[in-house]
Amino acid sequence: AQRVTQPEKLLSVFKGAPVELKCNYSYSGSPELFWYVQYSRQRLQLLLRHISRESIKGFTADLNKGETSFHLKKPFAQEEDSAMYYCALSGASGSRLTFGEGTQLTVNP
Amino acid sequence: NAGVTQTPKFQVLKTGQSMTLQCAQDMNHNSMYWYRQDPGMGLRLIYYSASEGTTDKGEVPNGYNVSRLNKREFSLRLESAAPSQTSVYFCASMGVGDRTEAFFGQGTRLTVV
Repeated sequence: AQRVTQPEKLLSVFKGAPVELKCNYSYSGSPELFWYVQYSRQRLQLLLRHISRESIKGFTADLNKGETSFHLKKPFAQEEDSAMYYCALSGASGSRLTFGEGTQLTVNP
Repeated sequence: NAGVTQTPKFQVLKTGQSMTLQCAQDMNHNSMYWYRQDPGMGLRLIYYSASEGTTDKGEVPNGYNVSRLNKREFSLRLESAAPSQTSVYFCASMGVGDRTEAFFGQGTRLTVV
């Protein structure tokens, strides 16, 4: 079975502060990990995926297989980062795509 | 390029009524998914289809049925709607083999009274 856990439902930081959104996973094989973002009342969109090792909008995430984690980080949060963030896991090609519970990030001015 | 299109965007049903949510994608993706989004519970997988002609249950399949009509279309049917099925429903599709990202529809806000 595959499972994704995001322990924080709500996270509030001030503009310019560092932010870390936690994601832990459970999967027996080699997973593909993603972060998706949903701005207010919009459809979900990909933020980044571990396999591409890229930085989008200043966000990065490192896959730690030992700790089975894929935490999302940004050194200096901006007000426009306020959104719902979902961590997701996919196994073999064509398999289910499982999401975590989501973390609502609020960046205060 | 329309991506993933869901219809309708909004729907109000009475308890016991049936309806079908439609989803179509134009990206030639093999995999398609139906999720429901509820506050505090994230996105929960209802059903998915790894390829045309196959469907599999997700985490919360009870009360739903799906049809993978062809490679483009994946519909979700509520045979007898219940208030517990009030939710926002999202359809998604994803390519196979290269593990590309999932693309989502705009969502269907369903209220069962």
